[in-house]
Amino acid sequence: EVVLTQSPATLSLSPGERATLSCRASQIISVSLAWYQQKPGQAPRLLIYDVSNRATGIPARFSGSGSGTDFILTISSLEAEDFAVYYCQQRFSWPYTFGQGTKVEIK
Amino acid sequence: VQLVQSGAEVKEPGASMRISCKTSGYTFNTYDITWVRQVPGQGPECMGWISTYNGNTKYMENFQGRITMTTDTSTTTGYLDLRSLKFDDTAIYYCARFSILTGYFPDFWGQGTLVTVSS
Repeated sequence: EVVLTQSPATLSLSPGERATLSCRASQIISVSLAWYQQKPGQAPRLLIYDVSNRATGIPARFSGSGSGTDFILTISSLEAEDFAVYYCQQRFSWPYTFGQGTKVEIK
Repeated sequence: VQLVQSGAEVKEPGASMRISCKTSGYTFNTYDITWVRQVPGQGPECMGWISTYNGNTKYMENFQGRITMTTDTSTTTGYLDLRSLKFDDTAIYYCARFSILTGYFPDFWGQGTLVTVSS
Protein backbone atom coordinates (compact mmCIF):
# COMPACT_ATOMS: atom_id res chain seq x y z
CA GLU A 1 0.00 0.00 0.00
CA VAL A 2 1.24 3.47 -0.90
CA VAL A 3 1.53 5.66 2.18
CA LEU A 4 1.17 9.39 1.66
CA THR A 5 2.77 11.62 4.27
CA GLN A 6 1.64 15.23 4.35
CA SER A 7 3.55 18.05 5.98
CA PRO A 8 3.24 20.14 7.91
CA ALA A 9 0.26 18.93 9.91
CA THR A 10 -0.76 22.53 10.52
CA LEU A 11 0.19 25.68 8.66
CA SER A 12 -0.56 29.01 10.36
CA LEU A 13 -0.63 31.87 7.85
CA SER A 14 -2.27 35.23 7.27
CA PRO A 15 -4.53 36.15 4.35
CA GLY A 16 -2.43 37.19 1.37
CA GLU A 17 0.47 34.91 2.29
CA ARG A 18 1.70 32.03 0.18
CA ALA A 19 0.97 28.47 1.35
CA THR A 20 3.15 25.52 0.42
CA LEU A 21 1.86 22.07 1.31
CA SER A 22 3.84 18.87 0.84
CA CYS A 23 2.80 15.30 0.09
CA ARG A 24 5.41 12.55 -0.01
CA ALA A 25 4.65 9.06 -1.31
CA SER A 26 6.27 5.89 0.01
CA GLN A 27 6.99 4.82 -3.58
CA ILE A 28 7.00 6.36 -7.04
CA ILE A 29 3.42 7.11 -8.12
CA SER A 30 4.03 8.69 -11.53
CA VAL A 31 1.57 11.61 -11.97
CA SER A 32 -1.44 9.94 -10.39
CA LEU A 33 -1.95 12.38 -7.55
CA ALA A 34 -4.76 14.76 -6.60
CA TRP A 35 -5.38 17.43 -3.99
CA TYR A 36 -8.66 18.11 -2.17
CA GLN A 37 -9.89 20.86 0.09
CA GLN A 38 -12.26 20.03 2.92
CA LYS A 39 -14.12 22.45 5.17
CA PRO A 40 -15.94 21.43 8.36
CA GLY A 41 -19.16 19.56 7.68
CA GLN A 42 -18.49 19.36 3.95
CA ALA A 43 -17.32 16.71 1.53
CA PRO A 44 -13.85 16.97 0.01
CA ARG A 45 -13.62 19.21 -3.04
CA LEU A 46 -11.33 18.26 -5.90
CA LEU A 47 -8.77 21.02 -6.54
CA ILE A 48 -5.98 19.45 -8.58
CA TYR A 49 -5.72 16.12 -10.44
CA ASP A 50 -2.82 14.41 -12.19
CA VAL A 51 -0.39 16.55 -10.13
CA SER A 52 -0.97 19.87 -11.85
CA ASN A 53 -4.37 20.06 -13.56
CA ARG A 54 -6.89 22.35 -11.93
CA ALA A 55 -10.42 20.98 -11.68
CA THR A 56 -13.28 22.96 -13.17
CA GLY A 57 -13.93 26.21 -11.36
CA ILE A 58 -10.78 26.14 -9.22
CA PRO A 59 -9.06 29.54 -9.00
CA ALA A 60 -5.66 30.03 -10.55
CA ARG A 61 -4.10 30.76 -7.15
CA PHE A 62 -4.11 26.98 -6.59
CA SER A 63 -1.32 25.10 -8.35
CA GLY A 64 0.24 21.68 -8.07
CA SER A 65 3.67 20.41 -8.93
CA GLY A 66 6.02 17.52 -8.36
CA SER A 67 6.89 14.09 -9.67
CA GLY A 68 7.94 10.67 -8.53
CA THR A 69 7.42 10.71 -4.79
CA ASP A 70 7.35 14.42 -3.85
CA PHE A 71 4.43 16.71 -4.59
CA ILE A 72 3.51 20.26 -3.67
CA LEU A 73 0.26 22.21 -3.52
CA THR A 74 0.79 25.95 -3.63
CA ILE A 75 -1.78 28.60 -2.82
CA SER A 76 -0.20 31.77 -4.13
CA SER A 77 -2.11 34.27 -1.99
CA LEU A 78 -4.45 32.99 0.70
CA GLU A 79 -8.00 34.22 0.71
CA ALA A 80 -10.37 33.92 3.66
CA GLU A 81 -12.19 30.95 2.11
CA ASP A 82 -8.96 28.96 1.69
CA PHE A 83 -8.55 28.21 5.38
CA ALA A 84 -9.41 24.51 5.49
CA VAL A 85 -7.89 21.03 5.56
CA TYR A 86 -6.12 19.79 2.45
CA TYR A 87 -5.63 16.15 1.49
CA CYS A 88 -3.60 14.45 -1.22
CA GLN A 89 -4.68 11.16 -2.80
CA GLN A 90 -2.93 8.71 -5.12
CA ARG A 91 -4.49 6.45 -7.73
CA PHE A 92 -1.29 4.82 -8.92
CA SER A 93 -1.94 1.54 -7.15
CA TRP A 94 -4.83 -0.05 -5.30
CA PRO A 95 -5.88 0.72 -2.63
CA TYR A 96 -6.15 4.38 -3.52
CA THR A 97 -4.87 6.07 -0.40
CA PHE A 98 -5.15 9.54 1.08
CA GLY A 99 -2.74 11.48 3.22
CA GLN A 100 -3.64 12.53 6.75
CA GLY A 101 -4.12 16.14 5.81
CA THR A 102 -2.66 19.58 6.36
CA LYS A 103 -4.76 22.14 8.18
CA VAL A 104 -4.28 25.68 6.95
CA GLU A 105 -5.35 27.98 9.75
CA ILE A 106 -5.48 31.72 10.21
CA LYS A 107 -2.49 33.09 12.07
CA VAL B 1 -24.71 17.75 -11.02
CA GLN B 2 -25.96 16.41 -7.71
CA LEU B 3 -25.31 13.33 -5.63
CA VAL B 4 -27.76 13.15 -2.74
CA GLN B 5 -27.26 10.54 -0.06
CA SER B 6 -29.66 8.96 2.38
CA GLY B 7 -29.82 10.13 5.96
CA ALA B 8 -27.86 9.37 9.09
CA GLU B 9 -28.14 5.94 10.65
CA VAL B 10 -27.51 4.41 14.06
CA LYS B 11 -26.79 0.70 14.05
CA GLU B 12 -25.91 -1.94 16.62
CA PRO B 13 -22.77 -4.04 16.23
CA GLY B 14 -23.41 -6.97 13.91
CA ALA B 15 -26.18 -5.21 12.02
CA SER B 16 -26.17 -4.22 8.34
CA MET B 17 -26.51 -0.83 6.69
CA ARG B 18 -27.46 0.41 3.25
CA ILE B 19 -26.70 3.93 2.02
CA SER B 20 -28.17 5.27 -1.20
CA CYS B 21 -26.66 7.88 -3.52
CA LYS B 22 -29.17 9.45 -5.91
CA THR B 23 -27.45 11.14 -8.84
CA SER B 24 -28.77 13.73 -11.26
CA GLY B 25 -27.61 16.33 -13.74
CA TYR B 26 -25.38 14.12 -15.87
CA THR B 27 -25.44 10.91 -17.89
CA PHE B 28 -25.25 8.22 -15.21
CA ASN B 29 -23.28 5.56 -17.06
CA THR B 30 -20.52 7.90 -18.20
CA TYR B 31 -19.12 8.17 -14.67
CA ASP B 32 -18.30 5.43 -12.22
CA ILE B 33 -19.01 5.70 -8.51
CA THR B 34 -16.64 5.39 -5.61
CA TRP B 35 -17.43 5.16 -1.91
CA VAL B 36 -15.14 6.85 0.59
CA ARG B 37 -15.47 6.92 4.35
CA GLN B 38 -13.95 9.26 6.88
CA VAL B 39 -13.69 9.07 10.61
CA PRO B 40 -13.99 12.67 11.85
CA GLY B 41 -10.53 14.14 12.35
CA GLN B 42 -8.86 11.56 10.12
CA GLY B 43 -8.03 11.31 6.43
CA PRO B 44 -10.54 9.78 4.03
CA GLU B 45 -10.40 6.08 3.14
CA CYS B 46 -11.38 4.74 -0.27
CA MET B 47 -13.63 1.69 0.21
CA GLY B 48 -13.95 0.75 -3.43
CA TRP B 49 -15.71 1.59 -6.63
CA ILE B 50 -18.29 0.33 -9.10
CA SER B 51 -18.57 0.68 -12.84
CA THR B 52 -21.97 2.09 -13.76
CA TYR B 53 -21.41 0.67 -17.25
CA ASN B 54 -21.08 -3.05 -16.43
CA GLY B 55 -21.36 -3.35 -12.65
CA ASN B 56 -17.75 -4.40 -12.12
CA THR B 57 -16.54 -3.68 -8.62
CA LYS B 58 -13.29 -3.30 -6.71
CA TYR B 59 -13.28 -3.39 -2.95
CA MET B 60 -10.64 -2.61 -0.38
CA GLU B 61 -9.33 -5.86 0.98
CA ASN B 62 -10.21 -5.21 4.60
CA PHE B 63 -13.92 -5.00 3.68
CA GLN B 64 -13.97 -8.18 1.63
CA GLY B 65 -16.89 -10.42 2.44
CA ARG B 66 -19.03 -7.79 4.08
CA ILE B 67 -19.29 -5.03 1.43
CA THR B 68 -21.41 -4.80 -1.70
CA MET B 69 -21.72 -1.87 -4.09
CA THR B 70 -24.54 -1.82 -6.61
CA THR B 71 -26.22 0.61 -8.96
CA ASP B 72 -29.70 0.99 -10.38
CA THR B 73 -29.47 2.61 -13.79
CA SER B 74 -33.25 3.08 -13.99
CA THR B 75 -33.13 5.44 -10.99
CA THR B 76 -29.50 6.58 -11.44
CA THR B 77 -28.78 5.57 -7.88
CA GLY B 78 -25.83 3.88 -6.28
CA TYR B 79 -25.94 1.78 -3.14
CA LEU B 80 -23.44 0.78 -0.49
CA ASP B 81 -24.20 -2.23 1.69
CA LEU B 82 -21.98 -3.02 4.66
CA ARG B 83 -22.70 -6.01 6.88
CA SER B 84 -21.51 -7.24 10.27
CA LEU B 85 -20.96 -3.69 11.45
CA LYS B 86 -18.28 -3.01 14.03
CA PHE B 87 -17.76 -0.08 16.37
CA ASP B 88 -14.93 1.19 14.17
CA ASP B 89 -17.24 1.38 11.16
CA THR B 90 -18.55 4.59 12.76
CA ALA B 91 -17.75 7.23 10.15
CA ILE B 92 -19.11 9.57 7.52
CA TYR B 93 -19.67 7.74 4.26
CA TYR B 94 -19.46 9.59 0.93
CA CYS B 95 -20.31 8.59 -2.60
CA ALA B 96 -18.58 10.39 -5.46
CA ARG B 97 -18.46 10.13 -9.23
CA PHE B 98 -15.28 9.87 -11.29
CA SER B 99 -14.15 9.51 -14.87
CA ILE B 100 -11.15 9.83 -17.12
CA LEU B 101 -11.99 13.55 -17.50
CA THR B 102 -10.36 14.21 -14.12
CA GLY B 103 -7.80 11.43 -14.17
CA TYR B 104 -10.28 9.09 -12.47
CA PHE B 105 -10.28 11.29 -9.38
CA PRO B 106 -13.76 12.06 -8.04
CA ASP B 107 -15.00 15.53 -8.96
CA PHE B 108 -18.50 15.60 -7.44
CA TRP B 109 -19.36 14.19 -4.05
CA GLY B 110 -22.48 13.47 -2.06
CA GLN B 111 -23.09 15.36 1.16
CA GLY B 112 -22.07 12.42 3.31
CA THR B 113 -23.99 10.04 5.55
CA LEU B 114 -23.05 9.66 9.21
CA VAL B 115 -23.25 6.08 10.40
CA THR B 116 -22.90 5.48 14.12
CA VAL B 117 -22.35 1.95 15.38
CA SER B 118 -23.32 1.79 19.02
CA SER B 119 -24.82 -0.65 21.46
